[in-house]
Amino acid sequence: GIQVEQSPPDLILQEGANSTLRCNFSDSVNNLQWFHQNPWGQLINLFYIPSGTKQNGRLSATTVATERYSLLYISSSQTTDSGVYFCAPSVGDTGRRALTFGSGTRLQVQP
Amino acid sequence: EAQVTQNPRYLITVTGKKLTVTCSQNMNHEYMSWYRQDPGLGLRQIYYSMNVEVTDKGDVPEGYKVSRKEKRNFPLILESPSPNQTSLYFCASRKSGGISYEQYFGPGTRLTVT
Repeated sequence: GIQVEQSPPDLILQEGANSTLRCNFSDSVNNLQWFHQNPWGQLINLFYIPSGTKQNGRLSATTVATERYSLLYISSSQTTDSGVYFCAPSVGDTGRRALTFGSGTRLQVQP
Repeated sequence: EAQVTQNPRYLITVTGKKLTVTCSQNMNHEYMSWYRQDPGLGLRQIYYSMNVEVTDKGDVPEGYKVSRKEKRNFPLILESPSPNQTSLYFCASRKSGGISYEQYFGPGTRLTVT
């Protein structure tokens, strides 16, 4: 199956700093999502981005499908951004197309 | 509000006592699935359903059952829970029929089996 690698595994930032999280995947994908898992365990949809660039407030994401990577940008970080960020692509033309989750980037934003 | 709901959110039970975790979505999605999340192993798919009365195994189906009698509901059944099923469980749904669609997750059910 598809392999997903996220980097860095851990990241500590001061409030107000910017960061870039990277996701590399081993196969062509027809779907890619970014999630934030908050300290209470909930998975929050950030982006559905199989290709191109999207922005939502302080967050933006870019997926370059031909080069098999996606980036998540967090600007002016806040303590509420803390948690684990997952990249999850899926493959296949029809049927199951389960999301394959990376191991995540654990982000801690300090005041 | 469009959402996926799960109940219960927290459950502590004993080995062998049958339990059901309910999942419901109000987005008229055809596709629903269950994942479990374990430290060091990430999120893995247990079962999925392409539509009513159509279910199939995911990556880790052993010890679980599902049913899809209605489009909006997709319960997860543990007929004889064991401690290795202690985990955080997520239900998810999305539209079906095209190349792919965004998947939406429920709030999670934290299960402890003693």
